[in-house]
Amino acid sequence: GENVEQHPSTLSVQEGDSAVIKCTYSDSASNYFPWYKQELGKGPQLIIDIRSNVGEKKDQRIAVTLNKTAKHFSLHITETQPEDSAVYFCAASNGRADSWGKLQFGAGTQVVVTP
Amino acid sequence: DAGITQSPRHKVTETGTPVTLRCHQTENHRYMYWYRQDPGHGLRLIHYSYGVKDTDKGEVSDGYSVSRSKTEDFLLTLESATSSQTSVYFCAISVNGQGAEAFFGQGTRLTVV
Repeated sequence: GENVEQHPSTLSVQEGDSAVIKCTYSDSASNYFPWYKQELGKGPQLIIDIRSNVGEKKDQRIAVTLNKTAKHFSLHITETQPEDSAVYFCAASNGRADSWGKLQFGAGTQVVVTP
Repeated sequence: DAGITQSPRHKVTETGTPVTLRCHQTENHRYMYWYRQDPGHGLRLIHYSYGVKDTDKGEVSDGYSVSRSKTEDFLLTLESATSSQTSVYFCAISVNGQGAEAFFGQGTRLTVV
């Protein structure tokens, strides 16, 4: 089955700097890659996603890139702010009918933005 | 929170007792999922449902059962709770099962003593 590895496990950045989180996946059939942000005491919240027919996607200060050949995808946060402090999870899924939308998650990255 | 309500939000129970967690959605989505979250493991799939009375096992299903008698409700039962099932449980919903966005509830923190 699919295996997703996420690095780093913790990331400290100064406010205004950029943060990058990287994930690798094992199943070449995976074609949907969402990123979730989880604040303390809350459920994961979808912040951006990318599909395998796209190499990059941006939404204001966040962007995701996908390298299908190398089987890795990354989350980029620019101009970080204290409210970006949270745990971020990457995930992967394939579009096969028998996958039923199941997501395989990375272990998470704790991002701390210091003023 | 995409119309998802989990109950209870917190529960402490004793080893060996049965426990049922409830997930209720108002979105009329076909697909529902139960994940557990533990430090260092991210979220792991316990069981999922692709329709009323249609359920299947995920990667960590031992000791758990589910039921879905209505579109809006997906119940997770720990048949005989063990300390290893102390975790935070999240319900998620998705409009389709082929790579569509999944939305999560607020979670249930379960402690088994």
